Amino acid sequence: KQEVTQIPAALSVPEGENLVLNCSFTDSAIYNLQWFRQDPGKGLTSLLLIQSSQREQTSGRLNASLDKSSGRSTLYIAASQPGDSATYLCAVSRGSQGNLIFGKGTKLSVKP
Amino acid sequence: DVKVTQSSRYLVKRTGEKVFLECVQDMDHENMFWYRQDPGLGLRLIYFSYDVKMKEKGDIPEGYSVSREKKERFSLILESASTNQTSMYLCASSSHGVGGNYGYTFGSGTRLTVV
Repeated sequence: KQEVTQIPAALSVPEGENLVLNCSFTDSAIYNLQWFRQDPGKGLTSLLLIQSSQREQTSGRLNASLDKSSGRSTLYIAASQPGDSATYLCAVSRGSQGNLIFGKGTKLSVKP
Repeated sequence: DVKVTQSSRYLVKRTGEKVFLECVQDMDHENMFWYRQDPGLGLRLIYFSYDVKMKEKGDIPEGYSVSREKKERFSLILESASTNQTSMYLCASSSHGVGGNYGYTFGSGTRLTVV
């Protein structure tokens, strides 16, 4: 059974720091991996999607990597800002229809 | 701007009521999903649909049913609401292409309270 783990559960950093969020999964047979952002009481916003054949994706200050063989992904956020404060969720797709299994998220707080 | 719209942001229902949560997407996506999100448990898949009139059970389908009569609309039905169904319900849609799924778009969520 696929399990997705995110470490740490919470992270507090000063503004301007570069930071890394970690995601691990137990079954390497995935279709893709996605990173989402969730603000309190809101829905999820897709940040980056990495197909199983890809190694990384970049969008602005965000870079996500995928190592299927080791069952790991990282989300790198450069030059963090208070507006980056949110919960970041990692999810892997377990089938061609795209059913996602989510980690429980990392709650990020960026202090001014 | 592509959208997934959930009909209600907040909903309060009584135990035993039949509850309908509606979700509409305007992206012509094949796949639609219903998740619930609870503190400490994360997001869990209730049901999904990959085509009109098709439905598949997710991880926690008990107490729920779904309907997809049109491609753009996916409804979640709580047959007889119970207090343990108090939760945040999130609808999502995605397109499907060669090599896998092309990413999700989520709605803003419906916070359901059953009293």
